[in-house]
Amino acid sequence: QKEVEQNSGPLSVPEGAIASLNCTYSDRVSQSFFWYRQYSGKSPELIMSIYSNGDKEDGRFTAQLNKASQYVSLLIRDSQPSDSATYLCAVNRGTSYGKLTFGQGTILTVHP
Amino acid sequence: SQTIHQWPATLVQPVGSPLSLECTVEGTSNPNLYWYRQAAGRGLQLLFYSVGIGQISSEVPQNLSASRPQDRQFILSSKKLLLSDSGFYLCAWDRGRGGNQPQHFGDGTRLSIL
Repeated sequence: QKEVEQNSGPLSVPEGAIASLNCTYSDRVSQSFFWYRQYSGKSPELIMSIYSNGDKEDGRFTAQLNKASQYVSLLIRDSQPSDSATYLCAVNRGTSYGKLTFGQGTILTVHP
Repeated sequence: SQTIHQWPATLVQPVGSPLSLECTVEGTSNPNLYWYRQAAGRGLQLLFYSVGIGQISSEVPQNLSASRPQDRQFILSSKKLLLSDSGFYLCAWDRGRGGNQPQHFGDGTRLSIL
């Protein structure tokens, strides 16, 4: 079992729709969770951090965390073609150094 | 605000040649520093991390090495490059205070080995 699993996609949604990206993790002691966006040929960019169960909203993005189910998701409302990218889920055990374990990423395509 | 600089942006090297990639962080002190490699179409592989000057931990055995000669400087090196060393190399930092900090990436170096 991979430590952090994501559906590789591609996930295709029409412009204006809600894109739902999912991630599961295997380490129950994980404490912090991050979503990164990576455009083709570019470096990952942090878009959301979440540390406690529930929802966290930032603009069009909502991160959802359920530690009991070991599940974290990212919702993108009113999806735009500019949201087309690979989305990486990353998990941190909370050690003194921030070792992140990344999923393989989900490719999202938003078509006009 | 904090910024991270990584250079060069692209590099083409022959097999067997040496390598030196440099990364510097500005606007923060005592950061944790990381080197990752991303092969084409693959996820991010952590190569090295450092929690302080001169402190280097390796995650995977390989012919690469890392050094941290100054607080905000991180260098990735190799004496002899292999074809399998091709990839997208990313430097990252976090605030280094008690874990749970998000990492922030530099623009990366795309390395091609011929």
